[in-house]
Amino acid sequence: GQNIDQPTEMTATEGAIVQINCTYQTSGFNGLFWYQQHAGEAPTFLSYNVLDGLEEKGRFSSFLSRSKGYSYLLLKELQMKDSASYLCAVCDNYGQNFVFGPGTRLSVLP
Amino acid sequence: KAGVTQTPRYLIKTRGQQVTLSCSPISGHRSVSWYQQTPGQGLQFLFEYFSETQRNKGNFPGRFSGRQFSNSRSEMNVSTLELGDSALYLCASSLEWESTDTQYFGPGTRLTVL
Repeated sequence: GQNIDQPTEMTATEGAIVQINCTYQTSGFNGLFWYQQHAGEAPTFLSYNVLDGLEEKGRFSSFLSRSKGYSYLLLKELQMKDSASYLCAVCDNYGQNFVFGPGTRLSVLP
Repeated sequence: KAGVTQTPRYLIKTRGQQVTLSCSPISGHRSVSWYQQTPGQGLQFLFEYFSETQRNKGNFPGRFSGRQFSNSRSEMNVSTLELGDSALYLCASSLEWESTDTQYFGPGTRLTVL
């Protein structure tokens, strides 16, 4: 079966660092995506990992370990505008489906 | 380059009716995917179209259908609406829908079934 787990909610302080974890069990693997979704808006692409390791893009970094079925999104120097839901999604190469996790709602406090 | 557009943005229907939603992908994108998003179930994949052919389908009943036109625009149809069909329906487009292709989402159509 397909299963992706993320924490439901997280809270952090402006200027801090937060790590959002994602674990997955899918029938295939062809890449992991992170999306940001502000309330009432569509998801927007943040990062893509297909090989093990860390991908850095400005204040955001994403890590993947395929053997552990594990990824995390690291947000540095948090800003109030980072308050949003963060969705982890796996491209399952069996059927080429995208399977999304439930999302993690991040609240950044002043 | 214009983004993904969806029409209408909001829709209210009653049980038993049918509804058609429209999606125009980013120019040059040939793959269009549809998703249903609800507070309880999160984002769930409905189906994906490429070159007017449905290539992939999620686990939804046959009441949910779609099609893609030669200009890559896509429509999805839900027949015999149920209360549980109330959701945000998102369309996403990508170049080819290989795993390396980023999906770009439209603003969504919020459907309310009364």
